Amino acid sequence: DSGVTQTPKHLITATGQRVTLRCSPRSGDLSVYWYQQSLDQGLQFLIQYYNGEERAKGNILERFSAQQFPDLHSELNLSSLELGDSALYFCASSVEQENTEAFFGQGTRLTVV
Amino acid sequence: GENVEQHPSTLSVQEGDSAVIKCTYSDSASNYFPWYKQELGKRPQLIIDIRSNVGEKKDQRIAVTLNKTAKHFSLHITETQPEDSAVYFCAANGNDYKLSFGAGTTVTVRA
Repeated sequence: DSGVTQTPKHLITATGQRVTLRCSPRSGDLSVYWYQQSLDQGLQFLIQYYNGEERAKGNILERFSAQQFPDLHSELNLSSLELGDSALYFCASSVEQENTEAFFGQGTRLTVV
Repeated sequence: GENVEQHPSTLSVQEGDSAVIKCTYSDSASNYFPWYKQELGKRPQLIIDIRSNVGEKKDQRIAVTLNKTAKHFSLHITETQPEDSAVYFCAANGNDYKLSFGAGTTVTVRA
């Protein structure tokens, strides 16, 4: 167990819908990363937050948004869902904003039908 | 931003042989290079990392080398075992805070 908690573990929804994925980082970690992993693909960086502020942005679609709350948990919102958004979404956390190990949650498997 | 390339994409080795995975990065400001192992259906987990102030690091059967001049780093697994079969990802941190990953190498260890 990495100490990073992601909910839900599985999510099935229809095209056009909106979902929210939740991540609770390890106790004491200030930095949260979101990654997307499509079938047989690598880890695509979406966005990073550090202590409530956005610090880095990857190839995140405009239909996607995220935030980190004062208690440091983070949510990734995916809207107007398309079939191609089906993937495993990982959250990771680390103590500092760079140069330290990132611990991954178990992921949320999103299936859009 | 940082761009990390990883080769090969698949690697099949005989049990007991060595496996080598190579990565290159683009951002000369990168100073942290972790390697993650992802078993089927599981989350990526750190197996070893190296910082730019050292050229090599070992941990039992795993070693990582870093060449900052050439901007490449490699993972070496010696005496491979069936439990080494997994997808391995390299990563680099860049100067924009994000940890960028390579595309992954699927390693299969043949018994």
